[in-house]
Amino acid sequence: AQSVAQPEDQVNVAEGNPLTVKCTYSVSGNPYLFWYVQYPNRGLQFLLKYITGDNLVKGSYGFEAEFNKSQTSFHLKKPSALVSDSALYFCAVRAHGSSNTGKLIFGQGTTLQVKP
Amino acid sequence: EAQVTQNPRYLITVTGKKLTVTCSQNMNHEYMSWYRQDPGLGLRQIYYSMNVEVTDKGDVPEGYKVSRKEKRNFPLILESPSPNQTSLYFCASSLGGLTYEQYFGPGTRLTVT
Repeated sequence: AQSVAQPEDQVNVAEGNPLTVKCTYSVSGNPYLFWYVQYPNRGLQFLLKYITGDNLVKGSYGFEAEFNKSQTSFHLKKPSALVSDSALYFCAVRAHGSSNTGKLIFGQGTTLQVKP
Repeated sequence: EAQVTQNPRYLITVTGKKLTVTCSQNMNHEYMSWYRQDPGLGLRQIYYSMNVEVTDKGDVPEGYKVSRKEKRNFPLILESPSPNQTSLYFCASSLGGLTYEQYFGPGTRLTVT
């Protein structure tokens, strides 16, 4: 079965330190991978995506993610965390197959807490 | 302003009383989708639509219906709501399928008693 796992419910980091939010996936074929962020009482906002090409993808607000095919991972990173980055982060993958072109599978989410 | 709107934002209803949550986008997007968000489960896709009159099931379609008669609207219908459909619902749209970023609505918090 196709799935996405975010192994950490919560990540705590001090402001100014680098942050990593982990995501691993299990889909057949080549994945389309996404990161979204949800601030309190808001809808989700797109951060970045990997479709093809360079394994290092740069996105909004200084975030980046690295696609690692051998480890089936797509970890979200930022060199220097801000308190305003505190939010709920979701990894998502598009299911493979011509009958699944519109299906998107989300991980359970990781709460990022950045302390001053 | 480009946006996805949902109505109502909050709804408390009783078991079995049919309801519709509306979703509208003003970006001429082809793709629209409905998700539900539950604690510890992330977002789960209910239905999606690749274009007008084209809809398909997501992971959790049971108990829900959708229609796509116009490009801008994608209502979610609960014919006979049950307490296990108490959740936070999000509508989203994108230019054309999942190679494009999705724009999400503000959410509808539904409680079924």
